[in-house]
Amino acid sequence: GNSVTQMEGPVTLSEEAFLTINCTYTATGYPSLFWYVQYPGEGLQLLLKATKADDKGSNKGFEATYRKETTSFHLEKGSVQVSDSAVYFCALQGGSEKLVFGKGTKLTVNP
Amino acid sequence: NAGVTQTPKFQVLKTGQSMTLQCAQDMNHNSMYWYRQDPGMGLRLIYYSASEGTTDKGEVPNGYNVSRLNKREFSLRLESAAPSQTSVYFCASSEGANGGRNYGYTFGSGTRLTVV
Repeated sequence: GNSVTQMEGPVTLSEEAFLTINCTYTATGYPSLFWYVQYPGEGLQLLLKATKADDKGSNKGFEATYRKETTSFHLEKGSVQVSDSAVYFCALQGGSEKLVFGKGTKLTVNP
Repeated sequence: NAGVTQTPKFQVLKTGQSMTLQCAQDMNHNSMYWYRQDPGMGLRLIYYSASEGTTDKGEVPNGYNVSRLNKREFSLRLESAAPSQTSVYFCASSEGANGGRNYGYTFGSGTRLTVV
């Protein structure tokens, strides 16, 4: 079945540091890939998405590129802010299947 | 604001008690979902409803029942709560399978449930 593996956390960075959160997936066919963000005490919000190979999703300075050859969808941001502190979830949806999530990576950004 | 509304936000139950978590969406979405979130486990699907009038089991359905009351509302019922059901519960909706693939899901803000 479909599955998502993302890097274990927690991740702690200083403000303005570069962020990478790794995500790899296993799926048949051509799934859509997503990053969701969960701020403390809130529900999940869609951060960005890519629906086909080589697509780059971007939002709020975050980017991720759908790499079919490496089955990856790594999240990156060039300069993180304290307000980016949250839990980040990689997810995929293939065909008529339901959304499948990774276990989440907690990011803390210190001033 | 348009979105997914969950009630209550917090609840404490005693073992064996029953309760219903309510979820409503005003985006005219066809599909609705219930997830639970536990530390280190990510989000796991409990039940989903692909369209009004249909419901199906997800990954962890034991101990739960659901009702798709109409297109807007999808409730989750715990008939006899157990401490293992202590969790944060999220409801979500999407336009359907294709809508979910293209636009993702919209989530509610969650219900934090403690069973003692």
